[in-house]
Amino acid sequence: AQSVTQPDIHITVSEGASLELRCNYSYGATPYLFWYVQSPGQGLQLLLKYFSGDTLVQGIKGFEAEFKRSQSSFNLRKPSVHWSDAAEYFCAVVPPGNEKLTFGTGTRLTIIP
Amino acid sequence: GAVVSQHPSRVICKSGTSVKIECRSLDFQATTMFWYRQFPKQSLMLMATSNEGSKATYEQGVEKDKFLINHASLTLSTLTVTSAHPEDSSFYICSGLPSYNEQFFGPGTRLTVL
Repeated sequence: AQSVTQPDIHITVSEGASLELRCNYSYGATPYLFWYVQSPGQGLQLLLKYFSGDTLVQGIKGFEAEFKRSQSSFNLRKPSVHWSDAAEYFCAVVPPGNEKLTFGTGTRLTIIP
Repeated sequence: GAVVSQHPSRVICKSGTSVKIECRSLDFQATTMFWYRQFPKQSLMLMATSNEGSKATYEQGVEKDKFLINHASLTLSTLTVTSAHPEDSSFYICSGLPSYNEQFFGPGTRLTVL
């Protein structure tokens, strides 16, 4: 079945440490790929997106993501997290030929001092 | 980026009443808007796709008579929850599509049905 998976429900990271959030997709062809962040009680903010081209994508707030076709993955990274990065992170895909976003289940990020 | 607003941000209503939520694209025209529902600590689930000037397309399992969607202009879509019940309490988020395959989201509306 076509899907997008975020294996980690909750991740805790120390402030200043590096971060990687995992996202895997299962589609016949490469979909368009997105990462969104949601603070409590708020809407979603787009961090970055991948449509084609360079597989390393730079986003806002110091985030980047790497598309790996062989692994069907689009993992989000940040070299040094800040307390303000604590939020819920959603990976999302738009399948080829479609305009509907399908979201992963989300990863809640907690930052400890 | 493109800006989408929602009104109200929070609403509390009594069971059996109807509630209207507005979604506006402030700086772009949105031929297509989407409505999502999010339960606490869960992901967003697409409810329906709203197209300007035509009937909305509902996802499987979403009652179209309960969740009325109107997209009367290129900048406004409304979601009306009719005869709301406590199980309709949720966070409702809309998004607009200013360009191909990139949605911009509103801040969401928290609906509480007593």
